[in-house]
Amino acid sequence: GAVVSQHPSRVICKSGTSVKIECRSLDFQATTMFWYRQFPKKSLMLMATSNEGSKATYEQGVEKDKFLINHASLTLSTLTVTSAHPEDSSFYICSAIELSDSPLHFGNGTRLTVT
Amino acid sequence: AQSVTQLGSHVSVSEGALVLLRCNYSSSVPPYLFWYVQYPNQGLQLLLKYTSAATLVKGINGFEAEFKKSETSFHLTKPSAHMSDAAEYFCAVSEGTGNQFYFGTGTSLTVIP
Repeated sequence: GAVVSQHPSRVICKSGTSVKIECRSLDFQATTMFWYRQFPKKSLMLMATSNEGSKATYEQGVEKDKFLINHASLTLSTLTVTSAHPEDSSFYICSAIELSDSPLHFGNGTRLTVT
Repeated sequence: AQSVTQLGSHVSVSEGALVLLRCNYSSSVPPYLFWYVQYPNQGLQLLLKYTSAATLVKGINGFEAEFKKSETSFHLTKPSAHMSDAAEYFCAVSEGTGNQFYFGTGTSLTVIP
C-alpha cells in the first residue's frame, strides 16, 4: 500500500529557532500533499495544500510566512516552522494523494515542542 | 460546501459488543467518504472508503460502513469490539478532486474489558 514517511517524529526546539519537517511519499507520486495541525483531543485542522512545483495554498488564518511549505518534487514536501514560539507546539501531520479519487495517505506525524 | 458531523465525541463499549460510530455528511455533489483511525501519537490510517461503488463497504480490522444517501450517513460498525480497537476515529468527505478533505471532529472509542 501507499506509504508516507514523515520525519522527524518528535522534535524539541528553542523559541526563535526554525524547524523543518519532511514528508515523503515512498512508493507513489503524490500529486498533492496536505499539511494538518492537530491540537490535543481535537480534529485535524488543514493548514495548507501543496502541489508539486507551485506555491502552496494556505487556509484562512494560517500565516504563510511562518509556516513555509515547499513541494519540490512529486515525492517530497517540507514544512518549515520559522521563528517558532511555544504556541506553535502541536502535532503536525502530512498527507499525500496520488490520484483524484484515491484516499489520503498520512504520515505518522511530528510532535513539535517549543520551549 | 461539504461538512461532516460525528455524533458522540466519546463512545464506550464492552469488549465483544457492537461498535457503532455515527457520521453524517453534507455535500452538494456525490461524495467520496472515508473512515480513518488514529492511535496515540500516530498519523491516520485508512479503515475504508466509499467512492460510488457498493454502498456497503468493508474495511480492515473487521470494520464496515454503509452509505445511505437518503439519510446522508456513513456510519461505521464492527460486530464485536476488541481491546485493540480503542482509538480515535475520524470520518471524512471529499469531492474526489483531491483538493479538499473535510474531517469530522472525531470519536474516541473506549473498549471496556
